[in-house]
Amino acid sequence: IQMTQSPSSLSASVGDRVTITCRASQDISNSLAWYQQKPGIVPHLLIYAASTLQSRVPSRFSGSGSGTDFTLTISSLQPEDFATYYCQEYNSALTFGPGTKVDI
Amino acid sequence: EMQLVESGGGLVQPGGSLRLSCAVSGFSFSSYWMHWVRQAPGKGLVWVSRINTDGSRTMYADSVKGRFTISRDNAKKTLYLEMNSLRAEDTALYYCGRGGRIEQLVLASWGQGTLVTVSS
Repeated sequence: IQMTQSPSSLSASVGDRVTITCRASQDISNSLAWYQQKPGIVPHLLIYAASTLQSRVPSRFSGSGSGTDFTLTISSLQPEDFATYYCQEYNSALTFGPGTKVDI
Repeated sequence: EMQLVESGGGLVQPGGSLRLSCAVSGFSFSSYWMHWVRQAPGKGLVWVSRINTDGSRTMYADSVKGRFTISRDNAKKTLYLEMNSLRAEDTALYYCGRGGRIEQLVLASWGQGTLVTVSS
């Protein structure tokens, strides 16, 4: 399974609504996770099962989708949200998407 | 406090071998699937391998199949990755990760990583 993400990077401002798209090359049901990684920092799980928020993840993060098309939405971008976001399928091998960098 | 601490990385020549370890504490190691993920400098995340709770089921990325072996010692609370026939493209920071409580195929907790450099 191949995973693609769009855009590869975006510039946004604090308070903006941000949407990142992830697409799988075949149906993966809802077996999709999202991770956040800041420079020099270990990745952090945000969402699994396409839309289930991991514990202690702020509610401004949300995920949706099933099958092949998925989105990660940040409802109101905060300064600490500037990072790279990766989707990952776990329906077969655990394939990561190439990442989307969100910067100012 | 949950901790995952990788070790064993270093500089190795092409064709050489290394054994990575991931010592864990703060959770019931034998109850969780474990994973290895790598990240080349300045690049994205690449899943490498996973192992189930008792070590009876393993899975590998195509790029490492036949060269890498994942294993675990539940008594020692340690995960391993034996890496043979190393190539320059294996150069990366290697993270161990713990599966989630509900979904074991996602990486809910990560170590800090150990750097593997394959170069002559």
